Amino acid sequence: DADVTQTPRNRITKTGKRIMLECSQTKGHDRMYWYRQDPGLGLRLIYYSFDVKDINKGEISDGYSVSRQAQAKFSLSLESAIPNQTALYFCATAQGVGYNEQFFGPGTRLTVL
Amino acid sequence: GQNIDQPTEMTATEGAIVQINCTYQTSGFNGLFWYQQHAGEAPTFLSYNVLDGLEEKGRFSSFLSRSKGYSYLLLKELQMKDSASYLCAVCAGNNRKLIWGLGTSLAVNP
Repeated sequence: DADVTQTPRNRITKTGKRIMLECSQTKGHDRMYWYRQDPGLGLRLIYYSFDVKDINKGEISDGYSVSRQAQAKFSLSLESAIPNQTALYFCATAQGVGYNEQFFGPGTRLTVL
Repeated sequence: GQNIDQPTEMTATEGAIVQINCTYQTSGFNGLFWYQQHAGEAPTFLSYNVLDGLEEKGRFSSFLSRSKGYSYLLLKELQMKDSASYLCAVCAGNNRKLIWGLGTSLAVNP
């Protein structure tokens, strides 16, 4: 079984719709991250969380919100989707101590029409 | 500001050796990571350097010079499956966020 899972894997939606992307992990990691990846722009951090009560904005948080429901679950919401939010979205996790590598989920390909 | 530079594209031949460079300018330094990403897939961890020198792991090696703000990833005995994007990322600051380069797309030709 995958350690970091994301649902859905693919989603097509319309402008103005509310969308939730979910991430779950079985690695027991405290830190979780949401990124988006666009061609030519690389990975950009949307939100990150060091534990259930610690949530922080990344470099491109406008238009997004998150919820850390439990240590293992971190959800990303687009309250009113717009076409320029079309991208590949990744969830990642890392251990809470030290400067450790991040482990990525398989990604969600989101298309906003 | 924080900046990471790496070449956009590289091409190499199967069986050869290729070196992918990464230069960085960051506020603080807590280590440098290399990741591999195949098209449409998730990045996967390759290596981590926090001290100067060479770290070897099978066909892949990574080098760091902190004084020069420079790292490279060396791939030996290239295989077709090594065709992928290689991402350089620096951990800087107390918040343990990674600053990502845009990636180097490597094409391995027969």
